[in-house]
Amino acid sequence: GNSVTQMEGPVTLSEEAFLTINCTYTATGYPSLFWYVQYPGEGLQLLLKATKADDKGSNKGFEATYRKETTSFHLEKGSVQVSDSAVYFCALSENTNAGKSTFGDGTTLTVKP
Amino acid sequence: GAVVSQHPSWVICKSGTSVKIECRSLDFQATTMFWYRQFPKKSLMLMATSNEGSKATYEQGVEKDKFLINHASLTLSTLTVTSAHPEDSSFYICSAGEGGDTQYFGPGTRLTVL
Repeated sequence: GNSVTQMEGPVTLSEEAFLTINCTYTATGYPSLFWYVQYPGEGLQLLLKATKADDKGSNKGFEATYRKETTSFHLEKGSVQVSDSAVYFCALSENTNAGKSTFGDGTTLTVKP
Repeated sequence: GAVVSQHPSWVICKSGTSVKIECRSLDFQATTMFWYRQFPKKSLMLMATSNEGSKATYEQGVEKDKFLINHASLTLSTLTVTSAHPEDSSFYICSAGEGGDTQYFGPGTRLTVL
């Protein structure tokens, strides 16, 4: 079956620091890969996605590249802000199942001023 | 962009009562919606796949008689927690898609059973 493994948190950084959150996956087919962000008390928001190998998803300064050879989709941001503090989820979706998704356990990021 | 709403956003009920949570796709039609449960500081656990006009598909270990799902139209799915108990207290999230690989998530419903 499909699975997603995320770097364990929590992660605490100072403002303007570089962020990496590791994500690796196992899938039987050719999934699409996603990063979602969840702010306290809210649902999930799509942060970025990539649908095939070597695609780079980007949004709000965050980037992640679909690496088929290493089955990875690491999230990066060059300079984090306090407002980036949230829980980040890596996920995959098989295109053949109406978007049914498998999630990682989530990584809590806290950015201090 | 695609918007999914949930109602209510939070609910408190007494043990033994039933609670209905609605999930609506506001600006698109969704033949399939998904219901998730999230425990504090944990990931999302898929409970069931809600299919318009047919029975829901439940994940292993999820009691279908306790968590009733009805997908009455292309824009509405409901989750009813029957005879709720304190252990059912959780954050329930739905998602819907337009047919591709991307899901749009509702804001979640916080259920507290006393």
